[in-house]
Amino acid sequence: DAGVTQSPTHLIKTRGQQVTLRCSPKSGHDTVSWYQQALGQGPQFIFQYYEEEERQRGNFPDRFSGHQFPNYSSELNVNALLLGDSALYLCASSLGTATTSAQETQYFGPGTRLLVL
Amino acid sequence: KNQVEQSPQSLIILEGKNCTLQCNYTVSPFSNLRWYKQDTGRGPVSLTIMTFSENTKSNGRYTATLDADTKQSSLHITASQLSDSASYICVVTGRDWMDSSYKLIFGSGTRLLVRP
Repeated sequence: DAGVTQSPTHLIKTRGQQVTLRCSPKSGHDTVSWYQQALGQGPQFIFQYYEEEERQRGNFPDRFSGHQFPNYSSELNVNALLLGDSALYLCASSLGTATTSAQETQYFGPGTRLLVL
Repeated sequence: KNQVEQSPQSLIILEGKNCTLQCNYTVSPFSNLRWYKQDTGRGPVSLTIMTFSENTKSNGRYTATLDADTKQSSLHITASQLSDSASYICVVTGRDWMDSSYKLIFGSGTRLLVRP
C-alpha cells in the first residue's frame, strides 16, 4: 500500500521562473492538500482539492495554482517565483470532502524542497 | 484570530529522560487536536488525534492530554530515545463560520533533540 509520494524531491529555480510540483495520494484517498513550510516554521495551508476542484484556499496569492486529476493525483504550480517561495512543499492526502474530513487524519508526503535563487 | 502556540521552541534532553511539550490554542469552534512528529526533511507523521470529549490519548511512549476548557494540550514523551529527535507539531482543526468548512491551524512546532 503506497503512501503519499511527491516529486521531485529537490528543485532549484531562479527568480521569475515557474515550477510544477507533483503529488500522488495514499491509495484510497481522494482529497489532496498542499502546504508550504518555511525553515523552522509549521506548515502553512495553500489549498485543498477534492473531486478535481479547489475546495479551500489559504492566504496565498494567485501565483499559486493547482490541479487535481481524475486519478486523484495533484499538481502545485507557482508562477513568477520569488526568493521567499523557497521552502519545503508538503502534500497531504485524506479521505472525504472538505467539510467532513475533520476527523480524517492527513497523511503527508516527504515533501519537495524548493530553492529559489 | 485562530492561533496555535507551542512551547518551548526547542528542547534538549538526555536519552532515557521524560519530557513534556505544550500547546495552547485559540481556535474556535474546536473540532479536534492532533500531534504530529516531523523528522528533519520529511513530512509530518500523525501521533495522536483527540476530539473535544477526550482528555488523553496514548501511542506507545507518547501520551497526549487535552483540556478543552483551558484550551491547552500537552505531549508527554516517556523514556526518550535518540530517534525521538524531531519537531513535534500541534495542529488544531476549527470550523469556518462563513462556509462551514474545516480548517487546520498548525503550530510552529517544538524542536526536540535527544542526546546520548
